[in-house]
Amino acid sequence: GESVGLHLPTLSVQEGDNSIINCAYSNSASDYFIWYKQESGKGPQFIIDIRSNMDKRQGQRVTVLLNKTVKHLSLQIAATQPGDSAVYFCAETQAGTALIFGKGTTLSVSS
Amino acid sequence: DAGVTQSPTHLIKTRGQHVTLRCSPISGHKSVSWYQQVLGQGPQFIFQYYEKEERGRGNFPDRFSARQFPNYSSELNVNALLLGDSALYLCASSLEGGYNQPQHFGDGTRLSIL
Repeated sequence: GESVGLHLPTLSVQEGDNSIINCAYSNSASDYFIWYKQESGKGPQFIIDIRSNMDKRQGQRVTVLLNKTVKHLSLQIAATQPGDSAVYFCAETQAGTALIFGKGTTLSVSS
Repeated sequence: DAGVTQSPTHLIKTRGQHVTLRCSPISGHKSVSWYQQVLGQGPQFIFQYYEKEERGRGNFPDRFSARQFPNYSSELNVNALLLGDSALYLCASSLEGGYNQPQHFGDGTRLSIL
């Protein structure tokens, strides 16, 4: 599958590949993280969340990994489909503070 | 079930005017948050309301104000519009106040200032 070690603004994959989107968060005190998918002309769509007392959480075709040591979050999408093409944002928060969104990654899936 | 609904979907205003944007949360959700999204960037937090009270405010000028009604719907008001206010304004709802829970977004109001 296609993966990146640092945040890149764009990621291009072939249909059926696994995709990995990375996010470096800023606040070591952040304890709740969300991944959103935003398609053109639409609002962000909730994908999956994870709390800081976990390091992995799985959903349907998606897995989020949290590495608190290096303040890194990743979203893995299995068997990427053309419908997965969108901008993906990670967001972080800690108790009492608002969600802070990271820089988005544009995922392009070609068939 | 209906998701978060926002109105209008698009709006064109001129500098100096004011605007009111509306949001209806998901049924059963008591908290509404407003975000501004400039093209090419992630959403930036403006306000959160819970049980009709302001629970959080982002780094926006006093020209921005909001309120929440007894039915949990909300309005965002922006006065003395500037060209830089052109953006997508997003509303998100969640079950309770605070931020450590999923927030679900509407499709936004696209505001263009001429």
